Amino acid sequence: NAGVTQTPKFQVLKTGQSMTLQCAQDMNHEYMSWYRQDPGMGLRLIHYSVGAGITDQGEVPNGYNVSRSTTEDFPLRLLSAAPSQTSVYFCASSYADLGTGGDEQFFGPGTRLTVL
Amino acid sequence: GENVEQHPSTLSVQEGDSAVIKCTYSDSASNYFPWYKQELGKRPQLIIDIRSNVGEKKDQRIAVTLNKTAKHFSLHITETQPEDSAVYFCAAALTNFGNEKLTFGTGTRLTIIP
Repeated sequence: NAGVTQTPKFQVLKTGQSMTLQCAQDMNHEYMSWYRQDPGMGLRLIHYSVGAGITDQGEVPNGYNVSRSTTEDFPLRLLSAAPSQTSVYFCASSYADLGTGGDEQFFGPGTRLTVL
Repeated sequence: GENVEQHPSTLSVQEGDSAVIKCTYSDSASNYFPWYKQELGKRPQLIIDIRSNVGEKKDQRIAVTLNKTAKHFSLHITETQPEDSAVYFCAAALTNFGNEKLTFGTGTRLTIIP
């Protein structure tokens, strides 16, 4: 299994440009999430999904859209990039197992985004 | 929503000594508390986790303790080694049918001094 994969690894955008960060997992996980990591602030949840066709907002959703058309893929769209969105973005996935264990979230390798 | 505070932000420990990192959480309903290790430029990786029905869990040199009444949990690393140098994050979540959203602390940069 490849686990959780993300593309691209690095991206530079100009203010106002739009782009999509890709995330895919081959572990048949129901749950997928997007986090951003900024220095001194830990990881903050942007959006998450509990299954295909179902998404919800996390702590910092403004300026981002998501969709979940398949179990495997969970793309994150930046609608109009701003310098405040410069960050490292991590996608994660986990099982739905009735909370009896195996709650680990598996993280992708991350995308380092710079907005000029 | 949940709020997780983590201390200290930096920690330097002599090789072979123990390191302790502490976290507090605000939502008494949270029932899952993982610890992640992140090396420079890498993804966070789970090192140990604990559920609210357990007070302590140990895995070789790593242990986690949970005090539900006080709403705090701690990571203990004994006999530290240079490869333990990394940033450590605590997190909390309410898991019912799984874990789709973690609230993270702000991280502790641990440096092991040879």
